Amino acid sequence: GAVVSQHPSRVICKSGTSVKIECRSLDFQATTMFWYRQFPKQSLMLMATSNEGSKATYEQGVEKDKFLINHASLTLSTLTVTSAHPEDSSFYICSASIRYGYTFGSGTRLTVV
Amino acid sequence: QKEVEQNSGPLSVPEGAIASLNCTYSDRGSQSFFWYRQYSGKSPELIMSIYSNGDKEDGRFTAQLNKASQYVSLLIRDSQPSDSATYLCAVNREGGKLIFGQGTELSVKP
Repeated sequence: GAVVSQHPSRVICKSGTSVKIECRSLDFQATTMFWYRQFPKQSLMLMATSNEGSKATYEQGVEKDKFLINHASLTLSTLTVTSAHPEDSSFYICSASIRYGYTFGSGTRLTVV
Repeated sequence: QKEVEQNSGPLSVPEGAIASLNCTYSDRGSQSFFWYRQYSGKSPELIMSIYSNGDKEDGRFTAQLNKASQYVSLLIRDSQPSDSATYLCAVNREGGKLIFGQGTELSVKP
């Protein structure tokens, strides 16, 4: 139980384009979803917290206009990387809080060329 | 000071030995602590969670929490090559946010 399905698993896009990453909770309702970014050999850095039906809360240093988060339903949260640049290439992971901890999506490897 | 600190390693132990991983945290108000294992290119998977001072054992894994000293540790007994991975310490912050340390790379040599 408590599965979060994240898509796509890998995406390559051209510089200047936008990419949308989806996270769906399959068997539970995710009131809150957390979005992380992980660069090679580094840890998971929390980018933002999304709450269903309200605006996302961004961590310090994360551009809210560049990383658009939408959490329109209790089972779907999306992260859109707008006007992507090579420095946005990273591993993006979503996570939802559940009763006894957290469950993670499988991650999205974004490469901007 | 980082919120959650770990030695990045790599930590190398022979097969069958005990691997000891340590983590310190800065927020005295933290109540929930987690150890995750992450293989390269994969998302983290939960190893242990601990909420009270003392030891918690689950199979070959033992988590230890000392809130007064603000540290959490993970012991892996009878280490196996398949345990080779990066181990992430994570601490729950206000708002339910989970904050990760930088991870310790563990290598178990056959």
